[in-house]
Amino acid sequence: RKEVEQDPGPFNVPEGATVAFNCTYSNSASQSFFWYRQDCRKEPKLLMSVYSSGNEDGRFTAQLNRASQYISLLIRDSKLSDSATYLCVVNTGGGNKLTFGTGTQLKVEL
Amino acid sequence: DAGITQSPRYKITETGRQVTLMCHQTWSHSYMFWYRQDLGHGLRLIYYSAAADITDKGEVPDGYVVSRSKTENFPLTLESATRSQTSVYFCASTAHLNEKLFFGSGTQLSVL
Repeated sequence: RKEVEQDPGPFNVPEGATVAFNCTYSNSASQSFFWYRQDCRKEPKLLMSVYSSGNEDGRFTAQLNRASQYISLLIRDSKLSDSATYLCVVNTGGGNKLTFGTGTQLKVEL
Repeated sequence: DAGITQSPRYKITETGRQVTLMCHQTWSHSYMFWYRQDLGHGLRLIYYSAAADITDKGEVPDGYVVSRSKTENFPLTLESATRSQTSVYFCASTAHLNEKLFFGSGTQLSVL
């Protein structure tokens, strides 16, 4: 089993839709969780950290489910500019590694 | 975030040659990482370092060597380049594992 797994998509959604991505991780001792966004294979950029109690930043909501070992990202009112690849990142392997999922591609359409 | 730079941005080399990709950060971040990105695989960790003189293998270390003699530098060497090492390479750094990763702009490497 991979340390961090994501559904690669693509998710094709109309503008204004709500879309959710999940990311599962295998190491129950993982402590740090993030969502990054990547455009056209440029360097990834931090979208948001994921906190135990869940957190929200505008149209974006991130949640952590430790019991089932997954994190989620919810995007409300999707914009064309949200089209990108969304990568989850988890610290793994004893704590000093930051491992990326394969990424989920989102395409928001008119 | 001009504090982490990778060089070169583009590199074409031949099979069997040694290639070194440079990564330099100006923040004195403890943690540094090398990832490669290929279609269908996302970013895969090659090597990482928690501090100067401390390096560890990631998911795909074979064929690569790293060093970290100074905190700010983390070069990645392909000892004998193979076509399968054609990829985009990203270097990243962070002060703490629960904080943002800062990425370089990437190096696109082609091995012919």
